[in-house]
Amino acid sequence: SAVISQKPSRDICQRGTSLTIQCQVDSQVTMMFWYRQQPGQSLTLIATANQGSEATYESGFVIDKFPISRPNLTFSTLTVSNMSPEDSSIYLCSVEVSYTEAFFGQGTRLTVV
Amino acid sequence: AQSVTQLGSHVSVSEGALVLLRCNYSSSVPPYLFWYVQYPNQGLQLLLKYTTGATLVKGINGFEAEFKKSETSFHLTKPSAHMSDAAEYFCAVTGGNNFNKFYFGSGTKLNVKP
Repeated sequence: SAVISQKPSRDICQRGTSLTIQCQVDSQVTMMFWYRQQPGQSLTLIATANQGSEATYESGFVIDKFPISRPNLTFSTLTVSNMSPEDSSIYLCSVEVSYTEAFFGQGTRLTVV
Repeated sequence: AQSVTQLGSHVSVSEGALVLLRCNYSSSVPPYLFWYVQYPNQGLQLLLKYTTGATLVKGINGFEAEFKKSETSFHLTKPSAHMSDAAEYFCAVTGGNNFNKFYFGSGTKLNVKP
């Protein structure tokens, strides 16, 4: 199993600013994932972050808007840049221990005003 | 390509009644299927999963699900609902070349009435 800590748990931000979300895992993992859960909707994969390489973004998500860092095997950050109210969502970090199980952080609830 | 459809964004049952949450999937390869539960202000917790083998899988908290290939379904059931089961439930699929990517359904909020 894996225990994931995400910070902050929630934040209210002004439009046009940026927020960096941190994800810390209690064990070394190869792949980390960032998801967005918009109000009333399901989880959508933003990108996959591997240590030592650039993140791989899903269709509809770009690095300029959601830059990701992965400095080591237990940590990653996701930045939501130049925020607008449409970015108000829950952002979740996830890791895969095996092909058959993924673990999730508690999420960061972001409100942009 | 893979996708998941959850029928019913809200389901309400009485305490002690049967819980049935529906999930249908689309996958061009043998799927791995999952049910996750999300309690308010918490992350997702794995309830159960199907990978290979027995098509009826049992999970935590008395939940179970049956993989039916002919119906492309993976419905979640619990014989008797408890107040503590009130949460949002997500069905997810992965497999093929994208074992590392989970595709989630839109979620079903379960309300349990006393």
